[in-house]
Amino acid sequence: ETGVTQTPRHLVMGMTNKKSLKCEQHLGHNAMYWYKQSAKKPLELMFVYSLEERVENNSVPSRFSPECPNSSHLFLHLHTLQPEDSALYLCASSIESGSSYNEQFFGPGTRLTVL
Amino acid sequence: GQNIDQPTEMTATEGAIVQINCTYQTSGFNGLFWYQQHAGEAPTFLSYNVLDGLEEKGRFSSFLSRSKGYSYLLLKELQMKDSASYLCAVTDSNYQLIWGAGTKLIIKP
Repeated sequence: ETGVTQTPRHLVMGMTNKKSLKCEQHLGHNAMYWYKQSAKKPLELMFVYSLEERVENNSVPSRFSPECPNSSHLFLHLHTLQPEDSALYLCASSIESGSSYNEQFFGPGTRLTVL
Repeated sequence: GQNIDQPTEMTATEGAIVQINCTYQTSGFNGLFWYQQHAGEAPTFLSYNVLDGLEEKGRFSSFLSRSKGYSYLLLKELQMKDSASYLCAVTDSNYQLIWGAGTKLIIKP
């Protein structure tokens, strides 16, 4: 495996379900990100981890809970979601966060539908 | 507030040239990125500008004017595979990436 991988690619869940999204990067990067992408809207940064520590949390509802057990893996735990949470969830990594040249490498995303 | 503006959609003809504009108002500036995103796929890096001027990379070029808060992505000799969304993003004074909503480029034969 190379680059950034995400599983599952598609997820349909009810509002009472609990599920988790997984991201893995094979690039040796120190920073990882979760983004939400909705149609015709800018990418919304949700969480940033640097060396397994959360460095940013952009007022995301508590029904989204991130976990970064090591610098290669990132999870997004989901529970009691709302239909408006349906979107493409993208994971990204970069060599480090907090620098001007911060090229981010993205995974293919998880298309989430909340019924 | 911070804002990045790009056209929502553009159409161009195979073999032609197209210019996608991006204007930004951000708290500070530490560089501007262009990414390409094909439908259902991950965004991929195209270019980075931090100084004024033109950066050329094959068929793609990116221009920056910091005084005007303006950038453009120029695509030459368009191919059908260039049909995609093009995302403009600016690194602000806190080194956070601020994203535009993207421009969907449709290439017609």
